[in-house]
Amino acid sequence: GENVEQHPSTLSVQEGDSAVIKCTYSDSASNYFPWYKQELGKRPQLIIDIRSNVGEKKDQRIAVTLNKTAKHFSLHITETQPEDSAVYFCAASIGGNNDMRFGAGTRLTVKP
Amino acid sequence: DVKVTQSSRYLVKRTGEKVFLECVQDMDHENMFWYRQDPGLGLRLIYFSYDVKMKEKGDIPEGYSVSREKKERFSLILESASTNQTSMYLCASSDPYEQYFGPGTRLTVT
Repeated sequence: GENVEQHPSTLSVQEGDSAVIKCTYSDSASNYFPWYKQELGKRPQLIIDIRSNVGEKKDQRIAVTLNKTAKHFSLHITETQPEDSAVYFCAASIGGNNDMRFGAGTRLTVKP
Repeated sequence: DVKVTQSSRYLVKRTGEKVFLECVQDMDHENMFWYRQDPGLGLRLIYFSYDVKMKEKGDIPEGYSVSREKKERFSLILESASTNQTSMYLCASSDPYEQYFGPGTRLTVT
């Protein structure tokens, strides 16, 4: 089955800096890659996703890149703000939201 | 707004007890999921269901079972709770675009 690895496990940046979180996946058939943000004590929520037919997607300060050949994808947050502090999970699946596998999570801390 | 609710936020049970965790969604989603969340291990899939009375094992089904008698309700059952099942349990339902998570149940088995 699919195996998703996520790095780093913790990341601390200064407000205004950029943050990058990287994930690799094992199953070349995976074609859907969402990112979830989980604030302390709250449920995970989808922040951005990418499908295998595109290499990059951007939404304001957040972007995701996908390299299907290397089987890795990354989350980029620019101009970080304290409210970006949370745990971020990457995930991969075949065929949308079914049978999704998550990475172990990255705890991002943005220092003011 | 999609709403996914779980029966309890916090639960304390004794070793050997049978435990029921319930999840209800109000968006007529066909797909529902149970995960457990542990520090450093992320979200691990226990079971999922594509339709009423249908279930599929995830990555860590041992010690768990599920029930889906109605489309909106997906129950996770711990037949005989053990201390290594102390964890945060998250339920989710999904449409083709997104998984929607419940608030989680923090289960402690003593």
